[in-house]
This record gives sequence, C-alpha cells and structure tokens, in this order.
Amino acid sequence: GESVGLHLPTLSVQEGDNSIINCAYSNSASDYFIWYKQESGKGPQFIIDIRSNMDKRQGQRVTVLLNKTVKHLSLQIAATQPGDSAVYFCAEITSGNTPLVFGKGTRLSVIA
Amino acid sequence: KAGVTQTPRYLIKTRGQQVTLSCSPISGHRSVSWYQQTPGQGLQFLFEYFSETQRNKGNFPGRFSGRQFSNSRSEMNVSTLELGDSALYLCASSADRAEKLFFGSGTQLSVL
Repeated sequence: GESVGLHLPTLSVQEGDNSIINCAYSNSASDYFIWYKQESGKGPQFIIDIRSNMDKRQGQRVTVLLNKTVKHLSLQIAATQPGDSAVYFCAEITSGNTPLVFGKGTRLSVIA
Repeated sequence: KAGVTQTPRYLIKTRGQQVTLSCSPISGHRSVSWYQQTPGQGLQFLFEYFSETQRNKGNFPGRFSGRQFSNSRSEMNVSTLELGDSALYLCASSADRAEKLFFGSGTQLSVL
C-alpha cells in the first residue's frame, strides 16, 4: 500500500491568510520529498522539494518542513491567493531507483 | 523550453478495444514515467523508462504496457480495455533519476 498519506482531504482559507497542508509518511527509508500542485485540467506542477538531510526549505511564498522523528511533512503557503486554489500532493521516494509515491491529495480552497 | 507533451488530450473507447497514448518529454530528459490518476486511487505508478529500458514497473496487469524510443519519446498501450481503466493518464519526465518529475497535462481516457 501507499506509504504517503494526508491528514485532511479539504482545506478552506481566507485570502491573505497562511495555509498549512500536512502529510504523513510511514517509510523511514524515504530520502526525498516533493510537493506538487494540480489545478483543474492540468497535470501536477512541481512546487518545492526537500531531502531527508534537511528539515526546512523555503521558496517563493512556500516553505516545506520535514520532521523525520514523527515522519511528517508540511507545506506552508504565505499570504494565500485565489490562484493557490488547487489540489496539493506530497510525494516521496525511498533510496535507489524507486518510483515517486504520491499521497491522495488535499484540496485547498481560497475564499476571497 | 517546451514542457511535456501528451497526445491525445481526450479519448473515448469501448470495452475490449485497445488504446495507445503518446508522450514527448522535455528536451534532454531521458527518464519517462507514467501514472494513472483516478478520484478514488489518486496517482498510481504504472512504469518508468530510461534510455529505452523499463527501469521500474508498478502493480498493474499485463494489459498495460509501454515503450520508449531512442529520442526518449514514450508510448503506453492498454489492451482489452475495461470500464475501470477510465482515468487520467499522466506522463512525466526527468533528467536522470525519476524523482523531480515534470508532468504533462495528461490524456483523459473514458471507457464506455
């Protein structure tokens, strides 16, 4: 079965607020994690990634936090905008040439 | 740089037929992965090709097959279509190791 899962299937936030999307993984051998954003009618779009030797990585308005102790990954979006409305997936890879495994996704809705 | 291109965008088939989907990766990318996306199962890994060789295979029946050409373009084939094969089929490419994937917009397959 999948080793990546999500705590919440849907999340609604007010425009301008910060969003936090969570993800749990069960495979302690996972060494690379990615967040993807998928808008309606499009394929998943790469947002940010992090390797297991890091616990935090920042991008433009986004931050990924990795807590290996509790096998938890989160995506923080600052000042959420209507264009951030989408389904967000976390994905993981274990060591070696194994395929990227996706969680089931969280739908983020931004309320104007 | 052009992104991942998938054709056709939509397909309608009937049970028992077969279908071939095409994917052109980002120029210079040698790894092509295929995923099936359904509302109930999320993104499920089908297979990955690298330099014309299948490097990884997911847990799908033998009716699902693929190949990669010398120019890295890839095709996947589904024979003897079943109603449950209705899904969005996503192709993704990466430079080498299939971790940071870049996705196409997918082919939406409907089996009637």
